[in-house]
Amino acid sequence: DAKTTQPNSMESNEEEPVHLPCNHSTISGTDYIHWYRQLPSQGPEYVIHGLTSNVNNRMASLAIAEDRKSSTLILHRATLRDAAVYYCILRDSGGTSYGKLTFGQGTILTVHP
Amino acid sequence: NAGVTQTPKFRILKIGQSMTLQCTQDMNHNYMYWYRQDPGMGLKLIYYSVGAGITDKGEVPNGYNVSRSTTEDFPLRLELAAPSQTSVYFCASSYSVWWGGYYPSSSSGQFFGPGTRLTVL
Repeated sequence: DAKTTQPNSMESNEEEPVHLPCNHSTISGTDYIHWYRQLPSQGPEYVIHGLTSNVNNRMASLAIAEDRKSSTLILHRATLRDAAVYYCILRDSGGTSYGKLTFGQGTILTVHP
Repeated sequence: NAGVTQTPKFRILKIGQSMTLQCTQDMNHNYMYWYRQDPGMGLKLIYYSVGAGITDKGEVPNGYNVSRSTTEDFPLRLELAAPSQTSVYFCASSYSVWWGGYYPSSSSGQFFGPGTRLTVL
C-alpha cells in the first residue's frame, strides 16, 4: 500500500486558517486521498476526499498537487473544536482492495484560544 | 438515525475469557469494518465485510472472528482473550454502489461508532 507522511504535530490560533500537509510520493493512479480526524476519546470522523481536483465541503477544503504527490487539508477558520488528530489516508478506489483504510500516526492539531 | 452503535462501552476480561463486541448500523450500508486502536497509535483494520454473508481479513485478524448474517449487524468475537488484545475497538460502516467494472459508481466515507474500551488482565 502506498504510504503517507504527515508532520507529528501542528499548532494554530483560533479563527485563523490551518494548512495540514501530507506527502504521498508513491501514490498510484487509482488511489483516492482521504482525510479523517479523531477528537479525543471519540471514533474517527470523515472530513473530505478527492482524486485529482481540489475539493470543498462544509468542513474543509482539499488542495491536491498537480502531480498528486502531496495534498493539503485546509481548515478556513480554526475553532477549539477542530483540535484533533488528522489522518491523511490513501484509499484504492476499486477492485478487491476497495474499502480498506490504512491509518498512520496522523498530525496532532492544537488550537489556541 | 442512530448511525453506528457499539456495545458495551467498557469491558474488563480475564485472560482466557471470551466475549462478543456488538456493532449495529441503521444506514443500510453494505460495508462494515472492525478496527483496533492501541494507545498513541493509529487504527488497524481487523476484519471487514462487503455485505451480508461476506467477510475478509484485515491487517490484524489473529485472535478474532466475525460474522455478518444481516446488513445491520457485524459482531466481533474474541476467543481466549490475551493482554495483547487490550485496546479500543471501533466499528465503522460505509456504502458503495457498483454498476460493474473496477470502480464503484458511488461511495461514502466511513462512519465510526463511539468505540469499546477493552482491558484484558
